[in-house]
Amino acid sequence: RKEVEQDPGPFNVPEGATVAFNCTYSNSASQSFFWYRQDCRKEPKLLMSVYSSGNEDGRFTAQLNRASQYISLLIRDSKLSDSATYLCVVRRRNFNKFYFGSGTKLNVKP
Amino acid sequence: EAGVTQFPSHSVIEKGQTVTLRCDPISGHDNLYWYRRVMGKEIKFLLHFVKESKQDESGMPNNRFLAERTGGTYSTLKVQPAELEDSGVYFCASSQDLGYSYEKLFFGSGTQLSVL
Repeated sequence: RKEVEQDPGPFNVPEGATVAFNCTYSNSASQSFFWYRQDCRKEPKLLMSVYSSGNEDGRFTAQLNRASQYISLLIRDSKLSDSATYLCVVRRRNFNKFYFGSGTKLNVKP
Repeated sequence: EAGVTQFPSHSVIEKGQTVTLRCDPISGHDNLYWYRRVMGKEIKFLLHFVKESKQDESGMPNNRFLAERTGGTYSTLKVQPAELEDSGVYFCASSQDLGYSYEKLFFGSGTQLSVL
């Protein structure tokens, strides 16, 4: 079983829509959680960390559910520039390895 | 401040040849990682250096791959001899202090390796 699983999409949404992605992780010893964004043919870049209490950064809201071992990312008021692949990343406690999901592709259309 | 830099950005080689990829982490970052993304698959861990020492090389696919980190600065990843299945994007990432659980990774722009 993969460490981190994501729906590959693509999610095709119109500008202004709200879209949500989920990600599940298999190891309960996972400690730290992140959403990275990767544009086509570019490197991944940190979008936001995901804290236990949930956190928000502008139009982006991240939630963590440890009991069910999933992480979510909500994007409100989608912009064309939000089109990218969103990677769920998990780090295990006491390990210095980061595990990546295969990514969810988002296409925001005019 | 300079980010993580990788060289070359693209490499096209024939099966059986040797290729060496280079990564310069952000100055002062002790932790350096190599990752690989094969088309359609997730980014997979190859290995992790702390300074010049290999902390974890459990992701290295086989002994055709050799990674070094001279003096704890830049790192090289050599593939010898290259096989078709080695094609993909090789990312390098660095981070400063893994004692902080939310320490983030900074990625280089990757090397696209095509083995023909």
